[in-house]
Amino acid sequence: DQQVKQNSPSLSVQEGRISILNCDYTNSMFDYFLWYKKYPAEGPTFLISISSIKDKNEDGRFTVFLNKSAKHLSLHIVPSQPGDSAVYFCAASAGNNAGNMLTFGGGTRLMVKP
Amino acid sequence: KAGVTQTPRYLIKTRGQQVTLSCSPISGHRSVSWYQQTPGQGLQFLFEYFSETQRNKGNFPGRFSGRQFSNSRSEMNVSTLELGDSALYLCASSLVPGFNEQFFGPGTRLTVL
Repeated sequence: DQQVKQNSPSLSVQEGRISILNCDYTNSMFDYFLWYKKYPAEGPTFLISISSIKDKNEDGRFTVFLNKSAKHLSLHIVPSQPGDSAVYFCAASAGNNAGNMLTFGGGTRLMVKP
Repeated sequence: KAGVTQTPRYLIKTRGQQVTLSCSPISGHRSVSWYQQTPGQGLQFLFEYFSETQRNKGNFPGRFSGRQFSNSRSEMNVSTLELGDSALYLCASSLVPGFNEQFFGPGTRLTVL
């Protein structure tokens, strides 16, 4: 039972355009969401997070949107750069008792073409 | 500031053996979590330690165990290795448990033959 799903295994975008990565979840207890980027042979790197009390969080070129009623979040990267090419994971956490226990989606491979 | 370090980086074992992986968190970080990444199951939470106590455990058999030392360093152990245990094992640290950014190490690639 996948509680966090990233339905697009891959996405190809032209440099300078917007990249939109999507993530759906089923567990209503999730109240904190994170995006990580992963290069081959490296551990995931934290990108941006959002609490369920917000519907948007921005950090430079990265913006995360949360739609709680649809149980959907998305990561927007504007403008996309070739260095953004990596696998992106969304992750969710359920309350303070969950501590650092994250449930990850399956990942989306983003390719940004020059 | 040094990042999360994991040793060894690569490991080859045979079925039935046991293995111990080590993780040193970022200096000052007291929470350590372990994850398993496989092509089929993705990234799955194994367990989390804080102040030498296991706070949470994922859905893994008892062959998977861990511990944390007083200096926050952590080890995980897998006994009676199975072929399906071949995976990338990732360690992550944060200051304390909760809504904090977790910093991941590069992982230990375990191959079970």
